[in-house]
Amino acid sequence: GAVVSQHPSWVICKSGTSVKIECRSLDFQATTMFWYRQFPKQSLMLMATSNEGSKATYEQGVEKDKFLINHASLTLSTLTVTSAHPEDSSFYICSARIAGGNEQFFGPGTRLTVL
Amino acid sequence: KQEVTQIPAALSVPEGENLVLNCSFTDSAIYNLQWFRQDPGKGLTSLLLIQSSQREQTSGRLNASLDKSSGRSTLYIAASQPGDSATYLCAVPTDSWGKLQFGAGTQVVVTP
Repeated sequence: GAVVSQHPSWVICKSGTSVKIECRSLDFQATTMFWYRQFPKQSLMLMATSNEGSKATYEQGVEKDKFLINHASLTLSTLTVTSAHPEDSSFYICSARIAGGNEQFFGPGTRLTVL
Repeated sequence: KQEVTQIPAALSVPEGENLVLNCSFTDSAIYNLQWFRQDPGKGLTSLLLIQSSQREQTSGRLNASLDKSSGRSTLYIAASQPGDSATYLCAVPTDSWGKLQFGAGTQVVVTP
């Protein structure tokens, strides 16, 4: 089946630092990737849609200068949380849509803790 | 705006019983509907995807039905096992890129 990986699986950082999270589609090409954020006991909240080779489209209320998204290839998208603060602590999940298909496959998530 | 609702929010059944999970959506003009499973602290696992032209989709003990006219989908899990304990989410795309609108999920506990 289609596999999406995320790295790192968890990260702890100090307030003010930047953290980069990678999302890779391992065995398929993904023209579109999505980044979600999930708070405890809540459903996923879409942050942005990332299309290969173009700028990401951010959802309302999501700061594009704080959450930098790059989708440089058909198998890799990155989310950089810049100048992270404790309120950015959350579970970040990416998904990838198979090129030419409808189904989305999700990564295992990255737990970010900002001290 | 598409809204997706899942009822019940939580469900506990003894092992061996069949599970019935409901998902409703307000805009029937959907491309497809996808069911996912999420274990605590993990990402989502895709279970089934039903295209808008299909009425049901089956995979092993799982069967999902789709009734677009009434805006409903049901996920059936036959002969539940403790390993089926998880949160089940349904989602529909809201644009051609595939941006998903999720329901809040149904938390399932299957007791041995």
